[in-house]
Amino acid sequence: AQTVTQSQPEMSVQEAETVTLSCTYDTSESDYYLFWYKQPPSRQMILVIRQEAYKQQNATENRFSVNFQKAAKSFSLKISDSQLGDAAMYFCAYRRYSGGGADGLTFGKGTHLIIQP
Amino acid sequence: EPEVTQTPSHQVTQMGQEVILRCVPISNHLYFYWYRQILGQKVEFLVSFYNNEISEKSEIFDDQFSVERPDGSNFTLKIRSTKLEDSAMYFCASSPRLAGGPYGTDTQYFGPGTRLTVL
Repeated sequence: AQTVTQSQPEMSVQEAETVTLSCTYDTSESDYYLFWYKQPPSRQMILVIRQEAYKQQNATENRFSVNFQKAAKSFSLKISDSQLGDAAMYFCAYRRYSGGGADGLTFGKGTHLIIQP
Repeated sequence: EPEVTQTPSHQVTQMGQEVILRCVPISNHLYFYWYRQILGQKVEFLVSFYNNEISEKSEIFDDQFSVERPDGSNFTLKIRSTKLEDSAMYFCASSPRLAGGPYGTDTQYFGPGTRLTVL
């Protein structure tokens, strides 16, 4: 079974600085997807960024970027120029590629990101 | 931008009662999912649904749970006889048909959740 590990229960960063959230995963699959979701206090799950395992290029979405190391099974999220609105729980998630769309996501336990003004 | 919607936002019920949680997935999406998140814990997959039948389910999704797409827009999760440990946030998600290239797009879009409290 796949597992996702987020070793940082909580991280704190000064506003406007950069922070990196770590995620490792374990799988025997070669094709899969990885995601970072954000969960603000409203508790809605919001997609931040996604990465396809077959792509070597790291995904980037504005201030958010990932460092995907397939061999190391590592998938960290870097947030540049942190803003107060970035404060939330961040979940790393894995989904295997099965040729269909039915597989559920496997989530890590989350990292609580605090932004210091 | 289209969104997944869920009703109610908060449901309080007595232990042993049946509850139905409702979701309206994004129009034209074909895959539907339910997840739950017990307070302070990680989000856990319950079930996926495609072409009017269950595709995958986790060990959490036992006989007390059922899902249904009663019409062209709604997707429901029924808990037959609620237990105290069913208290959680329940999220519905949907994703589009895979399209483009060997993998296509495969992002699951989540609704705002229903907070279920079992007393």
